[in-house]
Amino acid sequence: GAVVSQHPSRVICKSGTSVKIECRSLDFQATTMFWYRQFPKKSLMLMATSNEGSKATYEQGVEKDKFLINHASLTLSTLTVTSAHPEDSSFYICSASPSQYEQYFGPGTRLTVT
Amino acid sequence: SQQGEEDPQALSIQEGENATMNCSYKTSINNLQWYRQNSGRGLVHLILIRSNEREKHSGRLRVTLDTSKKSSSLLITASRAADTASYFCASANFGNEKLTFGTGTRLTIIP
Repeated sequence: GAVVSQHPSRVICKSGTSVKIECRSLDFQATTMFWYRQFPKKSLMLMATSNEGSKATYEQGVEKDKFLINHASLTLSTLTVTSAHPEDSSFYICSASPSQYEQYFGPGTRLTVT
Repeated sequence: SQQGEEDPQALSIQEGENATMNCSYKTSINNLQWYRQNSGRGLVHLILIRSNEREKHSGRLRVTLDTSKKSSSLLITASRAADTASYFCASANFGNEKLTFGTGTRLTIIP
Protein backbone atom coordinates (compact mmCIF):
# COMPACT_ATOMS: atom_id res chain seq x y z
CA GLY A 1 0.00 0.00 0.00
CA ALA A 2 0.85 3.72 0.08
CA VAL A 3 2.06 3.98 -3.50
CA VAL A 4 2.67 7.30 -5.17
CA SER A 5 3.25 7.61 -8.89
CA GLN A 6 4.65 10.42 -10.97
CA HIS A 7 4.25 11.00 -14.65
CA PRO A 8 6.27 11.43 -16.71
CA SER A 9 9.40 9.88 -15.25
CA ARG A 10 11.55 11.80 -17.72
CA VAL A 11 10.80 14.76 -19.91
CA ILE A 12 12.86 16.88 -22.26
CA CYS A 13 11.43 20.17 -23.38
CA LYS A 14 12.59 23.20 -25.26
CA SER A 15 13.33 26.47 -23.55
CA GLY A 16 10.24 28.65 -23.31
CA THR A 17 7.72 25.82 -23.26
CA SER A 18 5.70 24.60 -20.30
CA VAL A 19 5.68 21.13 -18.88
CA LYS A 20 3.25 19.45 -16.51
CA ILE A 21 4.17 16.79 -13.98
CA GLU A 22 1.51 14.67 -12.31
CA CYS A 23 1.64 13.17 -8.86
CA ARG A 24 -0.93 10.54 -7.91
CA SER A 25 -1.59 8.64 -4.73
CA LEU A 26 -2.75 5.27 -6.00
CA ASP A 27 -4.25 3.58 -2.99
CA PHE A 28 -4.95 6.30 -0.48
CA GLN A 29 -6.31 9.80 -0.28
CA ALA A 30 -3.92 12.63 0.38
CA THR A 31 -5.18 15.90 1.75
CA THR A 32 -1.69 17.30 1.43
CA MET A 33 0.95 16.82 -1.23
CA PHE A 34 4.43 18.24 -1.31
CA TRP A 35 6.70 19.13 -4.21
CA TYR A 36 10.47 18.96 -3.88
CA ARG A 37 13.33 19.81 -6.16
CA GLN A 38 16.67 18.05 -6.13
CA PHE A 39 19.81 19.16 -7.92
CA PRO A 40 22.49 16.57 -8.80
CA LYS A 41 24.23 15.18 -5.73
CA LYS A 42 22.25 17.50 -3.50
CA SER A 43 19.44 17.06 -1.02
CA LEU A 44 15.72 17.63 -1.49
CA MET A 45 14.49 21.17 -1.17
CA LEU A 46 10.81 21.72 -0.46
CA MET A 47 9.21 23.93 -3.10
CA ALA A 48 5.60 24.03 -2.01
CA THR A 49 2.86 22.43 0.03
CA SER A 50 -0.33 21.64 -1.81
CA ASN A 51 -3.65 21.17 -0.06
CA GLU A 52 -6.64 19.75 -1.86
CA GLY A 53 -9.05 22.45 -2.93
CA SER A 54 -6.93 25.39 -1.85
CA LYS A 55 -3.98 27.39 -3.05
CA ALA A 56 -0.52 25.99 -2.60
CA THR A 57 1.87 27.43 -0.05
CA TYR A 58 5.25 28.17 -1.57
CA GLU A 59 8.58 28.19 0.20
CA GLN A 60 10.62 31.35 0.26
CA GLY A 61 12.40 31.96 -3.01
CA VAL A 62 10.12 29.74 -5.11
CA GLU A 63 8.29 31.65 -7.84
CA LYS A 64 4.63 30.71 -7.68
CA ASP A 65 3.94 32.06 -11.16
CA LYS A 66 6.65 29.87 -12.59
CA PHE A 67 5.80 26.70 -10.71
CA LEU A 68 2.04 26.35 -10.87
CA ILE A 69 0.56 23.79 -8.54
CA ASN A 70 -2.93 22.39 -8.72
CA HIS A 71 -4.37 19.91 -6.24
CA ALA A 72 -7.79 19.28 -7.73
CA SER A 73 -8.57 15.99 -6.02
CA LEU A 74 -7.48 13.93 -3.04
CA THR A 75 -5.36 11.72 -5.28
CA LEU A 76 -3.86 14.11 -7.81
CA SER A 77 -1.59 17.11 -7.71
CA THR A 78 0.12 18.66 -10.71
CA LEU A 79 3.18 20.86 -11.02
CA THR A 80 3.49 22.93 -14.17
CA VAL A 81 6.82 24.51 -14.93
CA THR A 82 5.95 27.49 -17.09
CA SER A 83 8.28 29.05 -19.65
CA ALA A 84 10.96 26.57 -18.71
CA HIS A 85 14.62 27.51 -18.96
CA PRO A 86 17.75 25.36 -18.73
CA GLU A 87 18.22 26.37 -15.08
CA ASP A 88 14.90 24.67 -14.33
CA SER A 89 16.42 21.33 -15.29
CA SER A 90 16.28 19.23 -12.18
CA PHE A 91 14.79 16.18 -10.50
CA TYR A 92 11.31 16.92 -9.18
CA ILE A 93 9.87 14.66 -6.48
CA CYS A 94 6.41 14.74 -4.98
CA SER A 95 5.11 13.21 -1.80
CA ALA A 96 1.58 12.54 -0.63
CA SER A 97 0.42 12.73 2.95
CA PRO A 98 -2.67 10.87 4.18
CA SER A 99 -2.22 12.21 7.70
CA GLN A 100 0.07 14.42 9.68
CA TYR A 101 3.67 13.20 9.90
CA GLU A 102 3.18 10.62 7.13
CA GLN A 103 4.62 11.20 3.67
CA TYR A 104 4.99 8.76 0.81
CA PHE A 105 7.29 9.72 -2.01
CA GLY A 106 6.90 9.37 -5.74
CA PRO A 107 9.72 8.03 -7.94
CA GLY A 108 10.60 11.47 -9.27
CA THR A 109 10.57 13.21 -12.65
CA ARG A 110 13.77 14.15 -14.44
CA LEU A 111 13.24 17.43 -16.33
CA THR A 112 15.76 18.53 -18.92
CA VAL A 113 15.26 21.87 -20.61
CA THR A 114 17.26 22.37 -23.79
CA SER B 1 13.28 25.78 5.57
CA GLN B 2 16.75 25.29 6.96
CA GLN B 3 18.40 22.07 6.01
CA GLY B 4 19.82 19.75 8.57
CA GLU B 5 23.38 18.63 8.20
CA GLU B 6 24.76 15.17 7.73
CA ASP B 7 28.22 13.82 8.05
CA PRO B 8 30.17 12.46 6.52
CA GLN B 9 29.21 13.79 3.09
CA ALA B 10 30.72 10.68 1.54
CA LEU B 11 31.76 7.35 2.99
CA SER B 12 33.48 4.39 1.34
CA ILE B 13 33.87 1.13 3.22
CA GLN B 14 34.57 -2.51 2.48
CA GLU B 15 31.71 -4.90 2.15
CA GLY B 16 30.95 -6.47 5.49
CA GLU B 17 31.98 -3.46 7.53
CA ASN B 18 29.57 -1.27 9.44
CA ALA B 19 28.61 2.19 8.18
CA THR B 20 27.63 5.03 10.47
CA MET B 21 26.05 8.27 9.32
CA ASN B 22 25.18 11.23 11.51
CA CYS B 23 22.50 13.85 11.18
CA SER B 24 21.88 17.10 13.03
CA TYR B 25 18.70 19.13 12.94
CA LYS B 26 17.71 22.56 14.16
CA THR B 27 14.26 22.61 15.73
CA SER B 28 12.04 20.56 18.04
CA ILE B 29 10.78 17.53 16.23
CA ASN B 30 7.90 15.08 16.32
CA ASN B 31 9.96 12.41 14.59
CA LEU B 32 13.01 11.88 12.45
CA GLN B 33 13.12 9.64 9.42
CA TRP B 34 15.86 8.09 7.34
CA TYR B 35 15.61 7.52 3.60
CA ARG B 36 17.75 5.84 0.98
CA GLN B 37 18.06 7.05 -2.59
CA ASN B 38 19.74 5.17 -5.37
CA SER B 39 21.22 7.33 -8.10
CA GLY B 40 18.51 8.97 -10.17
CA ARG B 41 15.72 7.25 -8.29
CA GLY B 42 13.08 8.17 -5.74
CA LEU B 43 13.30 7.88 -1.99
CA VAL B 44 12.91 4.66 -0.08
CA HIS B 45 11.73 5.05 3.50
CA LEU B 46 13.97 3.15 5.89
CA ILE B 47 12.96 3.90 9.43
CA LEU B 48 11.15 6.45 11.60
CA ILE B 49 12.09 7.27 15.16
CA ARG B 50 9.81 9.36 17.35
CA SER B 51 11.02 12.13 19.61
CA ASN B 52 10.32 10.07 22.73
CA GLU B 53 12.40 7.13 21.45
CA ARG B 54 16.15 6.85 21.82
CA GLU B 55 16.94 3.84 19.69
CA LYS B 56 15.23 1.77 17.05
CA HIS B 57 16.20 -1.29 15.05
CA SER B 58 15.05 -2.65 11.74
CA GLY B 59 16.97 -5.59 10.31
CA ARG B 60 20.56 -4.43 9.78
CA LEU B 61 19.63 -0.84 10.57
CA ARG B 62 20.00 0.83 13.93
CA VAL B 63 18.94 4.42 14.49
CA THR B 64 19.60 6.50 17.56
CA LEU B 65 18.14 9.86 18.51
CA ASP B 66 19.51 12.38 20.99
CA THR B 67 17.03 15.22 21.28
CA SER B 68 19.25 17.13 23.72
CA LYS B 69 21.91 17.34 21.02
CA LYS B 70 19.44 17.49 18.17
CA SER B 71 21.21 14.65 16.46
CA SER B 72 20.58 11.19 15.09
CA SER B 73 22.72 8.43 13.72
CA LEU B 74 22.08 5.60 11.29
CA LEU B 75 24.16 2.45 11.58
CA ILE B 76 24.12 -0.15 8.83
CA THR B 77 25.72 -3.37 9.98
CA ALA B 78 27.37 -6.00 7.80
CA SER B 79 27.20 -3.76 4.73
CA ARG B 80 26.48 -5.16 1.29
CA ALA B 81 27.22 -3.84 -2.18
CA ALA B 82 23.48 -3.19 -2.61
CA ASP B 83 23.64 -0.69 0.27
CA THR B 84 25.53 1.70 -2.03
CA ALA B 85 23.27 4.76 -2.20
CA SER B 86 22.71 8.21 -0.75
CA TYR B 87 21.14 8.35 2.68
CA PHE B 88 19.11 11.29 3.95
CA CYS B 89 17.66 12.12 7.31
CA ALA B 90 14.47 14.15 7.43
CA SER B 91 13.07 15.83 10.51
CA ALA B 92 9.35 16.37 11.02
CA ASN B 93 8.80 19.45 13.13
CA PHE B 94 6.08 19.71 15.74
CA GLY B 95 2.81 21.13 14.45
CA ASN B 96 4.14 21.19 10.93
CA GLU B 97 3.68 18.60 8.24
CA LYS B 98 6.85 19.59 6.42
CA LEU B 99 9.95 17.45 6.35
CA THR B 100 13.34 19.12 6.51
CA PHE B 101 15.97 17.01 4.80
CA GLY B 102 19.60 16.72 5.74
CA THR B 103 22.36 17.25 3.24
CA GLY B 104 22.83 13.52 2.74
CA THR B 105 25.64 10.98 2.91
CA ARG B 106 26.83 9.16 -0.22
CA LEU B 107 27.72 5.66 0.85
CA THR B 108 29.83 3.41 -1.36
CA ILE B 109 30.34 -0.23 -0.45
CA ILE B 110 33.43 -1.72 -2.02
CA PRO B 111 32.98 -5.41 -2.89
